[in-house]
Amino acid sequence: QSALTQPASVSGSPGQSITISCTGTSSDVGGYNYVSWYQHHPGKAPKLLIYEVSNRPSGVSNRFSGSKSGNTASLTISGLQAEDEADYYCNSYRTSGTPWVFGGGTKLTVL
Amino acid sequence: EVQLVESGGGLVQPGGSLRLSCAASGFSFSSHWMTWVRQAPGKGLEWVANIKQDGSEKYYVDSVKGRLTISRDNAKNSVYLQIDSLRVEDTAVYYCARYYCGSNCYIDYWGQGTLVTVSS
Repeated sequence: QSALTQPASVSGSPGQSITISCTGTSSDVGGYNYVSWYQHHPGKAPKLLIYEVSNRPSGVSNRFSGSKSGNTASLTISGLQAEDEADYYCNSYRTSGTPWVFGGGTKLTVL
Repeated sequence: EVQLVESGGGLVQPGGSLRLSCAASGFSFSSHWMTWVRQAPGKGLEWVANIKQDGSEKYYVDSVKGRLTISRDNAKNSVYLQIDSLRVEDTAVYYCARYYCGSNCYIDYWGQGTLVTVSS
């Protein structure tokens, strides 16, 4: 069981928006702005999309955005494109137990 | 361009040992924390271990403490992961990754991974 909870799958049609949630506790997601999000196409290296809850690295499309409310962080992808079909993972620092934890991952299907 | 290239994976029998290597280039290696993350077949990402710039601090996921050792050689721009007493459940793709630390630390670059298969 992952320390951070994500939905196993989400889907959307091209052009639509989807949101992936990442729920933790006050010891990780809720206690710090240390949440990052990664996109992973199977067989390839994961890619950083969002760091520190809502910051986008240079080169990442502004269709990707992050936010947080309480113990839940969210990744929103707007204007869905076929190439967005991938697995998405959240990650957070936490103060108890293993210091860095990932969510279980969410498979995004673009219909 | 930041590049991280893992090597050393393969088929190993349960109880055996393996040393994974990661060669880094395109950045000041000695200025960054480094980490290993693994992904078992059909499963999600699991943070495994990380190491400070000078090797003075190391952290491990609770489930592997005592069997894994992370190390680095800044002169060779390389980070290593020694895995002992291998178990079937250690079968996974192992990714080397760079931590960027500003006000916070997060993984900003990943390698392509190396596959470790533990089977008799």
